[in-house]
Amino acid sequence: AQSVSQHNHHVILSEAASLELGCNYSYGGTVNLFWYVQYPGQHLQLLLKYFSGDPLVKGIKGFEAEFIKSKFSFNLRKPSVQWSDTAEYFCAVREEAAGNKLTFGGGTRVLVKP
Amino acid sequence: EAGVAQSPRYKIIEKRQSVAFWCNPISGHATLYWYQQILGQGPKLLIQFQNNGVVDDSQLPKDRFSAERLKGVDSTLKIQPAKLEDSAVYLCASSLGSDEQFFGPGTRLTVL
Repeated sequence: AQSVSQHNHHVILSEAASLELGCNYSYGGTVNLFWYVQYPGQHLQLLLKYFSGDPLVKGIKGFEAEFIKSKFSFNLRKPSVQWSDTAEYFCAVREEAAGNKLTFGGGTRVLVKP
Repeated sequence: EAGVAQSPRYKIIEKRQSVAFWCNPISGHATLYWYQQILGQGPKLLIQFQNNGVVDDSQLPKDRFSAERLKGVDSTLKIQPAKLEDSAVYLCASSLGSDEQFFGPGTRLTVL
């Protein structure tokens, strides 16, 4: 079965610092990859997704992620964070052979200090 | 466009009681999902519907959990009887085909 690992459970950083969140998955076949974000008091929403093509994908609010197939990774980055980026971030993977089922990582809580 | 609606937002029950959650997906979305999110973990799929048919319920504890989507629109998820370990946020999501899933606000269940 597919498993998704997010390396950091909690990240604390100051405004303007750079952010990188790791995500690794186990399945070796064709996958679609997602990052979801949950701001305090809000529901999960899509940050960005990768289906095919350019492995560097850009999402909303200045976030980007890079798919490295050889490393089974899909790390999320933002060059300069803002206080409003305080949220919980979830990586999710969908195996194309398994229908539309998403497997989520455990999440990373990010706190940006003003 | 209106998002995924869920009710109630919060529910507190005692163990061995029954509880039901309701979800109304985005209009036109044929696929509906129920996830369980235990504190400190990512969401875990319980059941997936395509219209009113079940696509995947492999992770649904069928001895106590049930779900239905009779008319292919809204859905209910029931737990009977509840256990302490069922305390979690229950998320409903919907999608149009195999693209992005849109999530509702969730129902936070506390079992005492």
